[in-house]
Amino acid sequence: QSALTQPPSASGSPGQSVTISCTGTSSDLGGYKYVSWYQQHPDKAPKLMIYEVSKRPSGVPDRFSGSKSGNTASLTVSGLQADDEADYYCSSYAGSNIVVFGGGTKLTVL
Amino acid sequence: EVHLVESGGGLLQPGRSLRLSCVASGFRFNDYAIHWVRQAPGKGLEWVSGISWGSGTIAYADSVRGRFTISRDNAKNSLYLQMNSVRGEDTALYYCVKSSGWYYFDSWGQGTLVTVSS
Repeated sequence: QSALTQPPSASGSPGQSVTISCTGTSSDLGGYKYVSWYQQHPDKAPKLMIYEVSKRPSGVPDRFSGSKSGNTASLTVSGLQADDEADYYCSSYAGSNIVVFGGGTKLTVL
Repeated sequence: EVHLVESGGGLLQPGRSLRLSCVASGFRFNDYAIHWVRQAPGKGLEWVSGISWGSGTIAYADSVRGRFTISRDNAKNSLYLQMNSVRGEDTALYYCVKSSGWYYFDSWGQGTLVTVSS
């Protein structure tokens, strides 16, 4: 049960797009279409932003999109806004009813 | 509106036991799998354990298997985590989390803090 790999930080200016990667293995992220992304503001509980690779829950802006290729998933935030500044975590099913998270990426809006 | 309220956290010494609870409201509790996810201070998220709607499926992270036990009481809309033989690395904010599919977590509580220290 190894954690997924995310870059520690990412940044972009307001209005720009930024993409955060999440890398696993063929035993977890690469083997299933069950990748999720969560947004966490400081001292707040995480919020589901993307599930099953690219689906958005009701209420999540379409500026947030997800994709996957091989063992790497990506979260793209378009039209960056100040409130998008937060920590972002990916997660994936890893078989045998196990879920693994990435280490998190701190997104800074410049 | 979905509400998940955790309780039972506190300060305890290594090797001791603690039981966390989570009371749910705002949805049909016995229709959904529920999980515990923890976050050590200043660190990332770690999935701890999950239990299906009828308790037929239970799973644990390697880091807690054999020490922690998850359970639920659907009549009381409640989830539990029995933590035995706790270690310093178990220090974290423990979130109770609802999942619509086992693999993703659509509603989170505010967490209960567990601190393990001598």
